[in-house]
This record gives sequence, structure tokens and C-alpha cells, in this order.
Amino acid sequence: DAEITQSPRHKITETGRQVTLACHQTWNHNNMFWYRQDLGHGLRLIHYSYGVQDTNKGEVSDGYSVSRSNTEDLPLTLESAASSQTSVYFCASSEQGLAGRNEQFFGPGTRLTVL
Amino acid sequence: GDSVTQMEGPVTLSEEAFLTINCTYTATGYPSLFWYVQYPGEGLQLLLKATKADDKGSNKGFEATYRKETTSFHLEKGSVQVSDSAVYFCALSEEKAAGNKLTFGGGTRVLVKP
Repeated sequence: DAEITQSPRHKITETGRQVTLACHQTWNHNNMFWYRQDLGHGLRLIHYSYGVQDTNKGEVSDGYSVSRSNTEDLPLTLESAASSQTSVYFCASSEQGLAGRNEQFFGPGTRLTVL
Repeated sequence: GDSVTQMEGPVTLSEEAFLTINCTYTATGYPSLFWYVQYPGEGLQLLLKATKADDKGSNKGFEATYRKETTSFHLEKGSVQVSDSAVYFCALSEEKAAGNKLTFGGGTRVLVKP
């Protein structure tokens, strides 16, 4: 069965360290997204990609970067982790098509703690 | 910009009670509207959606009607079960040429007690 996976599921790191969160999908979806979930804020879009070599900034992109070298993967990098980046991170993917018509499929999430 | 506002929780109910979660939105165009559900320890999954005015989405006993005149998409279920305990997110996606970014509300935690 097709799926979307994230690793690691839990990560503790220190302020200033570079951290990369992995996202891998086997749906063969063109669109991939990274969100962070914080109490009181719902999910906020960090970065997104509509295809290989395409990346775009979302609502809260400062301090994060992504790269898309193939269809299956969209790793999220925190260049220099800050305590404000402690959160739960979700990756999602969807087919390309008419906006709003295609369901986004979510991974199980990565809980990141920055000490 | 686009925004989604939903009622704050937590909402605590007894089994078989009626559930309503209010959701209103602001958008510049004609968005599609979604309800996603997040069960404890899991990612989000689509519960239902509506893509144009007056459409009704339904799934697992839940319903929501796209009301353009009131810019609302309220979620309802007539008789909840303990297994409906979860966090519910209202979201919208604008009709644009490419892609389908979602804008989420803050989420409403629902707790159903036996």
C-alpha cells in the first residue's frame, strides 16, 4: 500500500544545531507540504513543493529550508535550531490537479524538542 | 489573506449527544472547504469536503454544508461515540492555477465520555 512516512518520530536536539527531518511518500504525488502544529495555532505551512526542483515558502518559513531532488522525498532542514522551533512537524502530499479538489495525505508526524 | 476560524475547545460530550463545531472562513476567491480529523498520536486524515456553494460533505455520520452567504462550514454529527474523540480541523484551499495549499483553523478538541 502507498504511504507517507516521517523520520525520526521523536527528536531532541540542542539550540544552534542543524536538524533534518525526513519525509518519504510512495503515492507518486507531485505536491508535498511541511506543516508545524502548535497549540492554539492549528497547522501552519512551512514550505511546499509542486514537483522536482520546485520549492516555495509558506507562512512560517524563516529558519527552515527544503529541497526536492526526486518525487518521493522532501526533507526539511532547520539550519540552526531554536527553542521556538519545538513543535510537531507534519509532512503531507497530494496529487497535482485543480486546486482544492485533491486530498492531502498526512504522515504520522515528528515531535521535535529543541533544548 | 485567507483565514479559518473555528470554535475553541475542548468540547466535552456524552455518548449519543449531538455535536456541532462551528467554522467560518475568509477567502478572496471561491475556496474548497475541508474537515480533517486527528486521532491521538496520529497524523491528520480527511473527514469530508465540499468544493462549491451548497455542497454537503458527509462521512462516518458527520456532515457539513458549504454556506457561501454566511462563509461557514459547520461540522455536525447526530449521535457521537467515544471513538469520535479527536481533534477536528476546518481548512480551506483557494482555487488557483496550480497546487492546493491548505489554510487551517486552530483545531477543536472533542472528548466523548461513555
